[in-house]
Amino acid sequence: DTGVSQDPRHKITKRGQNVTFRCDPISEHNRLYWYRQTLGQGPEFLTYFQNEAQLEKSRLLSDRFSAERPKGSFSTLEIQRTEQGDSAMYLCASTRGPLTDTQYFGPGTRLTVL
Amino acid sequence: EDKVVQSPLSLVVHEGDTVTLNCSYEVTNFRSLLWYKQEKKAPTFLFMLTSSGIEKKSGRLSSILDKKELFSILNITATQTGDSAVYLCASAPFPNTGNQFYFGTGTSLTVIP
Repeated sequence: DTGVSQDPRHKITKRGQNVTFRCDPISEHNRLYWYRQTLGQGPEFLTYFQNEAQLEKSRLLSDRFSAERPKGSFSTLEIQRTEQGDSAMYLCASTRGPLTDTQYFGPGTRLTVL
Repeated sequence: EDKVVQSPLSLVVHEGDTVTLNCSYEVTNFRSLLWYKQEKKAPTFLFMLTSSGIEKKSGRLSSILDKKELFSILNITATQTGDSAVYLCASAPFPNTGNQFYFGTGTSLTVIP
């Protein structure tokens, strides 16, 4: 059990560029969540997967955001045409399954859009 | 609208003091309440509470849930400087109900030596 990992840890990009983040959950965890956190706020839900199926996506999430988990293991979160308002910490968390609520978080990817 | 509200937003205490952090929730299909500690990194899990009135303890930390009044408290006794962090609470839904986890904005605790 190596914990949840995320890559990269930091990303600086120019407005209008596309970025992609990766999350590797704990190996036997079949639920994977993406959150966004800005300074002074709690994590804001973006989307989650059970295995490879994307079960829910936040209604507040722009169409510029898309996430995949093609083989039910790692997941990617892509942001197209980044805006300065996208600057935040992007957190990934995993849980063992639908009957387990304890989420284990990765270290996050800090995105800065210039 | 589903929401989780924490109070106070911030707290400064001296080492040895006891603190109580509050979390209230109004969430559809609520199943459990989770507490996390966040230092300058990702949140780390503290407690999960599903049943009302049953206290969970871990060392100097304890927490309890009141499902009738829709709130939870986190107590920290004999605080230490290492307790300085943001404490987050979150609501978890019943599985397959289409509802997401909701986090509060957190309580920032500073413990002064």
